[in-house]
Amino acid sequence: AQKVTQAQTEISVVEKEDVTLDCVYETRDTTYYLFWYKQPPSGELVFLIRRNSFDEQNEISGRYSWNFQKSTSSFNFTITASQVVDSAVYFCALSDPYNFNKFYFGSGTKLNVKP
Amino acid sequence: GAGVSQSPRYKVAKRGQDVALRCDPISGHVSLFWYQQALGQGPEFLTYFQNEAQLDKSGLPSDRFFAERPEGSVSTLKIQRTQQEDSAVYLCASSFLGQGGADTQYFGPGTRLTVL
Repeated sequence: AQKVTQAQTEISVVEKEDVTLDCVYETRDTTYYLFWYKQPPSGELVFLIRRNSFDEQNEISGRYSWNFQKSTSSFNFTITASQVVDSAVYFCALSDPYNFNKFYFGSGTKLNVKP
Repeated sequence: GAGVSQSPRYKVAKRGQDVALRCDPISGHVSLFWYQQALGQGPEFLTYFQNEAQLDKSGLPSDRFFAERPEGSVSTLKIQRTQQEDSAVYLCASSFLGQGGADTQYFGPGTRLTVL
């Protein structure tokens, strides 16, 4: 069965600090997709990244970077030089093996960035 | 362009009442999804449409929950005889079919349902 674990319930950092949000997933399948979403206080989930299991290249987008390690079933997300606007709940999600468009979400990590 | 919109944004119902939640997907998006998000938890899949066809309803928690998308655009999630455990945020998402594999889902702001 698919499962996503985000062990960090809440993290607090001071602005300009780097922070890494952990995501560990469980699947028996070789083909799967992983996503990260941001949920600000307004409630709408904002798409950040999509990654398939065959692409292990790490990705950088501005201050955001992602480290995909199949060997440890992890897909961690790092924010460099955090800003107050990064404060939100971040979710990692994994696709279902029989219906790729059915996602399993972790319980989320709440990030508080203080000025 | 316009994103996914949902209405109402907030709904308070007395236990036993029926409610209907509406979702307007992004124009041109073929797929539409409903999720339930309890307080402090991640979204949980309820059901999925491709055009007007409901392809997966495995996440609907009981037969009190019903979703439809009759013309392949707007969707309605109906909950009959609401119970307190139905209190949650109901999120709608849509995606453009064609990425191959898992399509990126774009979410609306959600409807917060409170059952008293």
